[in-house]
Amino acid sequence: AQKVTQAQTEISVVEKEDVTLDCVYETRDTTYYLFWYKQPPSGELVFLIRRNSFDEQNEISGRYSWNFQKSTSSFNFTITASQVVDSAVYFCALSNNAGNMLTFGGGTRLMVKP
Amino acid sequence: GAGVSQSPSNKVTEKGKDVELRCDPISGHTALYWYRQSLGQGLEFLIYFQGNSAPDKSGLPSDRFSAERTGGSVSTLTIQRTQQEDSAVYLCASSLDFIGYTFGSGTRLTVV
Repeated sequence: AQKVTQAQTEISVVEKEDVTLDCVYETRDTTYYLFWYKQPPSGELVFLIRRNSFDEQNEISGRYSWNFQKSTSSFNFTITASQVVDSAVYFCALSNNAGNMLTFGGGTRLMVKP
Repeated sequence: GAGVSQSPSNKVTEKGKDVELRCDPISGHTALYWYRQSLGQGLEFLIYFQGNSAPDKSGLPSDRFSAERTGGSVSTLTIQRTQQEDSAVYLCASSLDFIGYTFGSGTRLTVV
């Protein structure tokens, strides 16, 4: 069985602060994929990143960066110099190699205050 | 189309009525998924279609829920005899290679 845990249900920061969203996963598969999605108030799920289990290289995209550590089964997401527009619910998700199910964490609501 | 299209965007129905929610996936995407997001909650898997294979219905919460996918394209999620606990946003996603999922904007269902 697969499981994704986002222990932080809600985070509030002031604009320009850095913030890290935690994600811990469980799977018995050796090949799997990890995702982060952003859900702004409009409700649409916006894809941010996909990472496969064989690629532990950290990734940076602008103000966003991701830290994948298989040893701790974690895939954490950091926003540098947060902005008000970053306010949203962020979901971490896990897919097995068969792709028949995307298991989501409970989400972290990020509020960035001006 | 360019994205996953869902209709209606909002649906208000009376308890006990049947509803149909539609999903039009990205052209060429062989996999289609339905998820449910209750207010303030995470996303709950409902059903998965892959090509002409039998769907994975393991996430459907009760026999009042059913879904079909015609011609490997458009999918309809049907909820019979709706209950208030069915109120949620129903999200559809499609995928070509199982490692890239595109979600629609969802249908917000309210059962009164």
